[in-house]
Amino acid sequence: GAGVSQSPSNKVTEKGKDVELRCDPISGHTALYWYRQSLGQGLEFLIYFQGNSAPDKSGLPSDRFSAERTGGSVSTLTIQRTQQEDSAVYLCASSSHREGVAFFGQGTRLTVV
Amino acid sequence: QQQVKQSPQSLIVQKGGISIINCAYENTAFDYFPWYQQFPGKGPALLIAIRPDVSEKKEGRFTISFNKSAKQFSLHIMDSQPGDSATYFCAAPKGIKAAGNKLTFGGGTRVLVKP
Repeated sequence: GAGVSQSPSNKVTEKGKDVELRCDPISGHTALYWYRQSLGQGLEFLIYFQGNSAPDKSGLPSDRFSAERTGGSVSTLTIQRTQQEDSAVYLCASSSHREGVAFFGQGTRLTVV
Repeated sequence: QQQVKQSPQSLIVQKGGISIINCAYENTAFDYFPWYQQFPGKGPALLIAIRPDVSEKKEGRFTISFNKSAKQFSLHIMDSQPGDSATYFCAAPKGIKAAGNKLTFGGGTRVLVKP
């Protein structure tokens, strides 16, 4: 596709359930980021993938959060045993190895009830 | 770890006025400083970026100024319009080069332009 695609766009889940959020980066982009944004707040870094390097997981808030990137392309962010404080918009971005510009998807709005 | 400090957190400006947002970074070896604009319900979108071999870059009503000695860069929105009302984020790469290095974002500035 032309841009970064995230799915689903909205997700409502019950507390304690697991959720998976998907990100399709721009074709050929080697870097992929996940950020979390609470209502009216800034961008909270979660995890960063760059090529075949080990991912930078320093932003993951707890061991309930994990992410993988298969084949250097699609990425899945998994939140286990969701809590109400996990409610936020989860944003994915990708960038080319040659440039520093990061392109964002529209985000997945997660609501934990 | 790269830190990027952005100020102010929020800004109200009258239509036609100038909006100024400042960012300060810690490390010196970077080659790319982008600004992103985010409207409610949307992901951030690249607005304008500067490389430190120039001190200023202008695109339409948006200007980035870069002060390497002070480790600061700023965004100026000239002749601010209600359509400019959005949240603005500055960013800096972690490593020496933008390519292949994680971007660190400032905390964001919510700009409201009053008609």
